Amino acid sequence: DVKVTQSSRYLVKRTGEKVFLECVQDMDHENMFWYRQDPGLGLRLIYFSYDVKMKEKGDIPEGYSVSREKKERFSLILESASTNQTSMYLCASSLFPHRGTEAFFGQGTRLTVV
Amino acid sequence: AQKVTQAQTEISVVEKEDVTLDCVYETRDTTYYLFWYKQPPSGELVFLIRRNSFDEQNEISGRYSWNFQKSTSSFNFTITASQVVDSAVYFCALTDYKLSFGAGTTVTVRA
Repeated sequence: DVKVTQSSRYLVKRTGEKVFLECVQDMDHENMFWYRQDPGLGLRLIYFSYDVKMKEKGDIPEGYSVSREKKERFSLILESASTNQTSMYLCASSLFPHRGTEAFFGQGTRLTVV
Repeated sequence: AQKVTQAQTEISVVEKEDVTLDCVYETRDTTYYLFWYKQPPSGELVFLIRRNSFDEQNEISGRYSWNFQKSTSSFNFTITASQVVDSAVYFCALTDYKLSFGAGTTVTVRA
């Protein structure tokens, strides 16, 4: 079974902290994605990566950065957490999204910034 | 830019009723794929179905069926004879090189 694992299910951080959300997949997928999910807004793409050290901005990259040093790991970084970044964060991976392969999702990290 | 719109925010039905979820999309690409995903209360999104932009044949898989119409940029999804376990949030998604989702439709099936 494909597995996408996010390091934390719940996180509480203070405003201004640097926050790392980690995601690991075990299926050798080229492509990985970070989304945030908010009520009424669905899943919004923050960043994605199509190869090691390669990244592209999604629809809402402001306030975030990413790191992909190894193929299996894709990290989302909140440089200076703010309360409006309180959200559910979802990581996904896919082999060839441009050829229609499905994405596999992690269980999500619910981040609260206080 | 690509965009996915799910106009229905919530749908509530009684068990055994059919449920149809609407999805309209925008893309400049000629080659793309459309998906439906399900997010049960446990939270983890699960892939349900996919359709590529070249194939407008509608299909049925068990209790699921889908209607893809390129002329109206719509990709609707139907659950036949709904069950309580179908209660979830359903997302329509579109991919060309990135994967974009709609806002989701919450389906509640009452016993």
